Formats: sequence, C-alpha cells, structure tokens
Amino acid sequence: SAVISQKPSRDICQRGTSLTIQCQVDSQVTMMFWYRQQPGQSLTLIATANQGSEATYESGFVIDKFPISRPNLTFSTLTVSNMSPEDSSIYLCSVGAGGQPQHFGDGTRLSIL
Amino acid sequence: GNSVTQMEGPVTLSEEAFLTINCTYTATGYPSLFWYVQYPGEGLQLLLKATKADDKGSNKGFEATYRKETTSFHLEKGSVQVSDSAVYFCALKNQGGSEKLVFGKGTKLTVNP
Repeated sequence: SAVISQKPSRDICQRGTSLTIQCQVDSQVTMMFWYRQQPGQSLTLIATANQGSEATYESGFVIDKFPISRPNLTFSTLTVSNMSPEDSSIYLCSVGAGGQPQHFGDGTRLSIL
Repeated sequence: GNSVTQMEGPVTLSEEAFLTINCTYTATGYPSLFWYVQYPGEGLQLLLKATKADDKGSNKGFEATYRKETTSFHLEKGSVQVSDSAVYFCALKNQGGSEKLVFGKGTKLTVNP
C-alpha cells in the first residue's frame, strides 16, 4: 500500500491565521481525499482532489475556507484559512481509487488558540 | 443516503476476553465494507475489508462477515490484547460510484491487563 506523509504532524495556531498542510505519497495516485476529525468524533470528508481539476467539496465545506491544491499525482495541500477555535481538529489525507481501500496518513493535529 | 451505525462506546475488556463491536449500515446498491483502527496519536489503518455478501475479512485475529440480510458487519476477536486498545471505525463505500468513505462514529476499546 502507498506510504503517505503529512506535514506538519501538529501545530498550535492563533485565530485568524491560516495553515497549509502538505500530503506526499510515495507513488502516483489519481484520487486524494481530505478529511476532518473533530475531537472525539468520526471522520468527515472535506473534499476530493484529482490532479488537473478543481477539488470537489462536500456539503458544508467551501473553497474559500479550505482551498486545496493538487499540482501532481503525488502531492496535495489543504489550507485551513482564517482559523477559529472550531477548526481545532485532526486533518487527514488519504489515497485510493479503482475500488481499492483508502489508506491514510498519520494526520495533522491542529489546535487554535 | 448512506450511513453507518456503530455500537456506543467506550468498551472496556480484560485481556483475553472476547470482543464484538456491532456495525450496521444503510446504503443503496452493494457497498464495500471496512474496519479501520486508530491507535492513540496515529492516523487510521485499514484493519480488514469485505466487498460482497458473505465475504469474511480477517486480519490480526480480527474478523468481520458481510451480512447483506441483516445489513451488518460486526467486528469480532476471540482474545483481545492490551495492544488492541484503540478506536475502531466501521466504514462503507458504494461500489462503482463515488470513492467517498462514510464512517461510523467510532468505538473506543480499552483492554486492561
């Protein structure tokens, strides 16, 4: 299975600032996904990122708040913009397509003060 | 829409006890079903999967059988270890369509020596 690296692994940020999370995969993948896991909660899909096209956002998530880049088949970034304490979560990227199970990175643990 | 319902946690067991974590689903068509595990401070790892009715997924002593008639995918292990302490997530993905994973709320398992 693909090896997925996320950076940073954790961060503490001030409200009103933005943070960009990077996701690097050791092989070329068509589809990458970004999830949010709020404290003590399950995972919720933010968006699906395909190389060469705009990301597809789920209901309740918008591009202005969570802009995503997908410049090539091994890399993606998620930016959490204008952060507030409600954005404190674990953000995870995953990869998977063609009916194969999704595999996840270790996540980015984000706290907003 | 698609949904996954897991038994409420937390679950606390003694080492070598039998484990069952219930999972039922609602979906259109014939989804693929998964169990993921999240160890403390880590991302999600795929534990096992099943892609069609009556399939049994198994890994590390854990098993789950895809039961179409009861729309269930219960996770079982005959003898748990302290190292099994983690949060377990049941998830589904519709086949042939979106790659989106839908997760249950997760069940926290603590195994005491």
